[in-house]
Amino acid sequence: QQQVKQSPQSLIVQKGGISIINCAYENTAFDYFPWYQQFPGKGPALLIAIRPDVSEKKEGRFTISFNKSAKQFSLHIMDSQPGDSATYFCAAKFSASKLTFGTGTRLQVTL
Amino acid sequence: DVKVTQSSRYLVKRTGEKVFLECVQDMDHENMFWYRQDPGLGLRLIYFSYDVKMKEKGDIPEGYSVSREKKERFSLILESASTNQTSMYLCASRTTGGNSPLHFGNGTRLTVT
Repeated sequence: QQQVKQSPQSLIVQKGGISIINCAYENTAFDYFPWYQQFPGKGPALLIAIRPDVSEKKEGRFTISFNKSAKQFSLHIMDSQPGDSATYFCAAKFSASKLTFGTGTRLQVTL
Repeated sequence: DVKVTQSSRYLVKRTGEKVFLECVQDMDHENMFWYRQDPGLGLRLIYFSYDVKMKEKGDIPEGYSVSREKKERFSLILESASTNQTSMYLCASRTTGGNSPLHFGNGTRLTVT
Protein backbone atom coordinates (compact mmCIF):
# COMPACT_ATOMS: atom_id res chain seq x y z
CA GLN A 1 0.00 0.00 0.00
CA GLN A 2 1.59 3.20 -1.17
CA GLN A 3 1.13 5.86 1.45
CA VAL A 4 2.89 8.68 -0.41
CA LYS A 5 2.08 9.22 -4.07
CA GLN A 6 4.50 11.30 -6.11
CA SER A 7 4.13 12.85 -9.55
CA PRO A 8 5.31 13.29 -12.19
CA GLN A 9 7.69 10.38 -12.68
CA SER A 10 9.90 12.53 -14.88
CA LEU A 11 10.11 16.21 -15.68
CA ILE A 12 12.00 18.29 -18.23
CA VAL A 13 12.33 22.00 -17.53
CA GLN A 14 14.24 24.70 -19.35
CA LYS A 15 16.95 26.60 -17.55
CA GLY A 16 15.42 29.46 -15.62
CA GLY A 17 12.02 27.82 -15.41
CA ILE A 18 10.08 26.57 -12.39
CA SER A 19 10.13 22.87 -11.55
CA ILE A 20 7.15 21.56 -9.59
CA ILE A 21 6.91 18.10 -8.05
CA ASN A 22 3.80 17.00 -6.22
CA CYS A 23 3.13 14.51 -3.45
CA ALA A 24 -0.05 13.32 -1.77
CA TYR A 25 -0.33 11.33 1.41
CA GLU A 26 -3.05 9.31 3.10
CA ASN A 27 -2.01 8.97 6.73
CA THR A 28 -3.13 12.05 8.68
CA ALA A 29 -0.74 11.10 11.49
CA PHE A 30 2.25 12.11 9.35
CA ASP A 31 3.90 15.15 10.91
CA TYR A 32 7.18 15.55 9.06
CA PHE A 33 7.65 15.87 5.32
CA PRO A 34 11.21 15.94 3.93
CA TRP A 35 12.46 16.06 0.38
CA TYR A 36 15.60 14.20 -0.64
CA GLN A 37 17.76 14.94 -3.67
CA GLN A 38 19.80 12.26 -5.42
CA PHE A 39 22.47 12.93 -8.03
CA PRO A 40 23.56 10.14 -10.39
CA GLY A 41 25.94 7.74 -8.68
CA LYS A 42 25.23 9.16 -5.24
CA GLY A 43 22.91 8.35 -2.39
CA PRO A 44 19.96 10.64 -1.60
CA ALA A 45 20.57 13.61 0.67
CA LEU A 46 18.15 15.75 2.64
CA LEU A 47 17.25 18.88 0.68
CA ILE A 48 14.49 20.60 2.66
CA ALA A 49 11.75 19.57 5.10
CA ILE A 50 8.51 20.93 6.52
CA ARG A 51 6.16 20.28 9.42
CA PRO A 52 2.39 20.62 8.92
CA ASP A 53 2.04 23.63 11.23
CA VAL A 54 3.33 25.88 8.43
CA SER A 55 2.07 26.20 4.87
CA GLU A 56 5.35 27.07 3.22
CA LYS A 57 9.08 26.79 3.77
CA LYS A 58 11.69 28.38 1.59
CA GLU A 59 15.42 27.74 1.40
CA GLY A 60 17.09 29.61 -1.42
CA ARG A 61 15.50 28.57 -4.71
CA PHE A 62 13.71 25.61 -3.11
CA THR A 63 10.25 25.97 -1.58
CA ILE A 64 7.91 23.41 -0.04
CA SER A 65 4.22 24.26 -0.19
CA PHE A 66 2.00 22.31 2.19
CA ASN A 67 -1.78 21.91 2.05
CA LYS A 68 -2.94 20.04 5.13
CA SER A 69 -6.62 19.88 4.22
CA ALA A 70 -5.86 18.40 0.80
CA LYS A 71 -3.11 16.15 2.23
CA GLN A 72 -0.72 17.37 -0.43
CA PHE A 73 2.69 18.96 -0.50
CA SER A 74 4.91 20.07 -3.33
CA LEU A 75 8.47 21.10 -4.10
CA HIS A 76 9.04 24.18 -6.22
CA ILE A 77 12.46 24.89 -7.70
CA MET A 78 12.65 28.46 -8.88
CA ASP A 79 15.08 29.54 -11.60
CA SER A 80 15.93 25.89 -12.29
CA GLN A 81 19.55 25.24 -13.24
CA PRO A 82 21.24 22.32 -15.04
CA GLY A 83 22.93 21.51 -11.71
CA ASP A 84 19.48 20.80 -10.26
CA SER A 85 19.14 17.81 -12.58
CA ALA A 86 18.65 14.91 -10.18
CA THR A 87 16.04 12.55 -8.81
CA TYR A 88 13.84 13.99 -6.09
CA PHE A 89 12.01 11.95 -3.46
CA CYS A 90 9.31 13.21 -1.15
CA ALA A 91 8.79 11.39 2.11
CA ALA A 92 6.66 11.41 5.24
CA LYS A 93 6.79 10.08 8.77
CA PHE A 94 5.15 10.44 12.17
CA SER A 95 6.73 10.37 15.63
CA ALA A 96 9.19 7.48 15.84
CA SER A 97 8.02 5.81 12.65
CA LYS A 98 10.29 5.22 9.74
CA LEU A 99 10.21 7.35 6.61
CA THR A 100 7.85 6.40 3.81
CA PHE A 101 9.21 7.56 0.46
CA GLY A 102 7.46 8.51 -2.73
CA THR A 103 8.42 6.84 -6.00
CA GLY A 104 10.75 9.61 -7.14
CA THR A 105 10.82 12.24 -9.89
CA ARG A 106 13.67 12.44 -12.35
CA LEU A 107 14.25 16.11 -13.16
CA GLN A 108 16.22 17.22 -16.19
CA VAL A 109 16.97 20.91 -16.63
CA THR A 110 17.93 21.74 -20.19
CA LEU A 111 19.98 24.69 -21.45
CA ASP B 1 30.74 15.22 7.82
CA VAL B 2 28.87 11.95 8.17
CA LYS B 3 30.22 9.21 6.00
CA VAL B 4 28.35 6.05 5.14
CA THR B 5 30.51 3.66 3.19
CA GLN B 6 29.24 0.69 1.23
CA SER B 7 31.93 -1.85 0.50
CA SER B 8 31.14 -2.47 -3.17
CA ARG B 9 29.91 -0.15 -5.89
CA TYR B 10 29.08 -2.96 -8.31
CA LEU B 11 28.53 -6.65 -7.61
CA VAL B 12 27.63 -9.50 -9.94
CA LYS B 13 26.48 -12.79 -8.42
CA ARG B 14 24.93 -15.99 -9.65
CA THR B 15 21.48 -17.27 -8.75
CA GLY B 16 21.58 -19.23 -5.50
CA GLU B 17 24.73 -17.63 -4.14
CA LYS B 18 24.83 -16.18 -0.64
CA VAL B 19 25.56 -12.47 -0.92
CA PHE B 20 26.84 -10.07 1.73
CA LEU B 21 26.48 -6.32 1.37
CA GLU B 22 28.48 -4.35 3.92
CA CYS B 23 27.88 -0.87 5.28
CA VAL B 24 29.94 1.17 7.73
CA GLN B 25 29.14 4.58 9.22
CA ASP B 26 31.58 6.79 11.09
CA MET B 27 29.30 9.05 13.15
CA ASP B 28 28.27 6.75 15.98
CA HIS B 29 24.67 6.69 14.75
CA GLU B 30 22.31 4.38 16.59
CA ASN B 31 19.99 3.70 13.68
CA MET B 32 20.91 2.01 10.42
CA PHE B 33 18.78 1.05 7.43
CA TRP B 34 18.88 -0.94 4.22
CA TYR B 35 16.79 0.20 1.24
CA ARG B 36 16.49 -1.02 -2.29
CA GLN B 37 15.90 1.41 -5.12
CA ASP B 38 14.10 0.38 -8.30
CA PRO B 39 12.85 2.64 -11.11
CA GLY B 40 9.24 3.62 -10.57
CA LEU B 41 9.15 2.06 -7.11
CA GLY B 42 11.25 4.56 -5.20
CA LEU B 43 13.07 3.62 -2.02
CA ARG B 44 11.71 0.61 -0.20
CA LEU B 45 12.86 -0.33 3.29
CA ILE B 46 14.19 -3.86 3.68
CA TYR B 47 15.42 -3.95 7.28
CA PHE B 48 16.52 -1.53 9.95
CA SER B 49 18.29 -1.60 13.28
CA TYR B 50 17.93 0.67 16.30
CA ASP B 51 20.89 -0.74 18.17
CA VAL B 52 23.58 -3.37 18.13
CA LYS B 53 22.17 -6.87 17.71
CA MET B 54 18.69 -5.45 17.19
CA LYS B 55 16.86 -5.67 13.89
CA GLU B 56 13.38 -5.07 12.61
CA LYS B 57 11.70 -5.93 9.34
CA GLY B 58 10.89 -3.18 6.93
CA ASP B 59 8.38 -3.30 4.11
CA ILE B 60 10.07 -5.93 1.91
CA PRO B 61 12.16 -8.26 4.12
CA GLU B 62 11.47 -11.50 2.24
CA GLY B 63 14.64 -13.13 0.95
CA TYR B 64 16.90 -10.93 3.08
CA SER B 65 18.44 -10.97 6.53
CA VAL B 66 20.71 -8.56 8.38
CA SER B 67 23.44 -8.54 10.95
CA ARG B 68 24.57 -5.81 13.30
CA GLU B 69 27.35 -7.04 15.57
CA LYS B 70 28.99 -3.62 15.97
CA LYS B 71 27.38 -0.20 16.15
CA GLU B 72 29.12 1.13 13.07
CA ARG B 73 28.49 -1.85 10.79
CA PHE B 74 25.25 -3.15 9.28
CA SER B 75 25.28 -6.05 6.85
CA LEU B 76 22.58 -7.12 4.43
CA ILE B 77 22.52 -10.80 3.54
CA LEU B 78 20.82 -12.41 0.58
CA GLU B 79 20.59 -16.03 1.67
CA SER B 80 20.06 -17.39 -1.84
CA ALA B 81 20.24 -14.68 -4.46
CA SER B 82 17.55 -14.58 -7.12
CA THR B 83 17.26 -12.54 -10.31
CA ASN B 84 14.44 -10.46 -8.84
CA GLN B 85 16.92 -9.17 -6.28
CA THR B 86 18.86 -7.38 -8.99
CA SER B 87 18.68 -3.79 -7.80
CA MET B 88 20.45 -0.81 -6.29
CA TYR B 89 20.93 -1.25 -2.55
CA LEU B 90 21.32 1.78 -0.33
CA CYS B 91 22.48 1.84 3.28
CA ALA B 92 21.61 4.76 5.54
CA SER B 93 22.15 5.85 9.12
CA ARG B 94 20.75 8.47 11.44
CA THR B 95 20.99 9.47 15.04
CA THR B 96 18.11 8.74 17.40
CA GLY B 97 15.54 11.36 18.22
CA GLY B 98 13.43 13.94 16.50
CA ASN B 99 13.57 14.20 12.77
CA SER B 100 17.28 13.80 12.25
CA PRO B 101 18.04 13.19 8.57
CA LEU B 102 19.01 9.95 6.95
CA HIS B 103 22.58 9.84 5.67
CA PHE B 104 22.93 7.51 2.72
CA GLY B 105 25.85 5.67 1.22
CA ASN B 106 26.40 5.80 -2.54
CA GLY B 107 24.80 2.43 -3.10
CA THR B 108 25.73 -1.02 -4.36
CA ARG B 109 24.44 -2.05 -7.77
CA LEU B 110 23.81 -5.78 -7.50
CA THR B 111 23.19 -7.90 -10.56
CA VAL B 112 22.09 -11.50 -10.10
CA THR B 113 22.47 -13.65 -13.20
